[in-house]
Amino acid sequence: GAVVSQHPSRVICKSGTSVKIECRSLDFQATTMFWYRQFPKQSLMLMATSNEGSKATYEQGVEKDKFLINHASLTLSTLTVTSAHPEDSSFYICSAVGGANEKLFFGSGTQLSVL
Amino acid sequence: AQSVAQPEDQVNVAEGNPLTVKCTYSVSGNPYLFWYVQYPNRGLQFLLKYITGDNLVKGSYGFEAEFNKSQTSFHLKKPSALVSDSALYFCAVRPPSGQNFVFGPGTRLSVLP
Repeated sequence: GAVVSQHPSRVICKSGTSVKIECRSLDFQATTMFWYRQFPKQSLMLMATSNEGSKATYEQGVEKDKFLINHASLTLSTLTVTSAHPEDSSFYICSAVGGANEKLFFGSGTQLSVL
Repeated sequence: AQSVAQPEDQVNVAEGNPLTVKCTYSVSGNPYLFWYVQYPNRGLQFLLKYITGDNLVKGSYGFEAEFNKSQTSFHLKKPSALVSDSALYFCAVRPPSGQNFVFGPGTRLSVLP
């Protein structure tokens, strides 16, 4: 079946630095990818929709200058958390639409800890 | 290995009839259980979750799910389906000891007028 690879699975960084998270579709082309964030003890929250070759569409309340999304190819989308702060510490997960039935496939997530 | 199964790729129901979307899981311990829905061209939307307590959980849009520990199931139900319920439904579990989600493959629900 289709596989989405998300890297890294865990990252610890200092406040003020930037962190890049990669989401790759390994055996299919994904024209659309989604980025989610999970706050502690809460459910996944959609952050943005990423379409290959165009600007991402951000959900209300998500800062586009802080969470930079690039979807430069049909198999790769990246989320960069710029100037990270401790409140950005969270679990981030991506998903990609693809396959014969246009199903949704998920990465395994990235746990970000900002010190 | 941890896994989530949604045995039906597609479920068709007539509007006004009750619907059930099945989910079974294989996770050690007492996992957290979730249902999400994806409408066309949209990301996931949260429907409901089970952490502990009453086995029948009520969620958004009139949906509910029943946790059955002995059968390791968490079937999604709605008493009366609407055409607007047509979407992709995903069952997910999160092991109690970890952060990462394990998602089922999804079930496409079609509600016919």
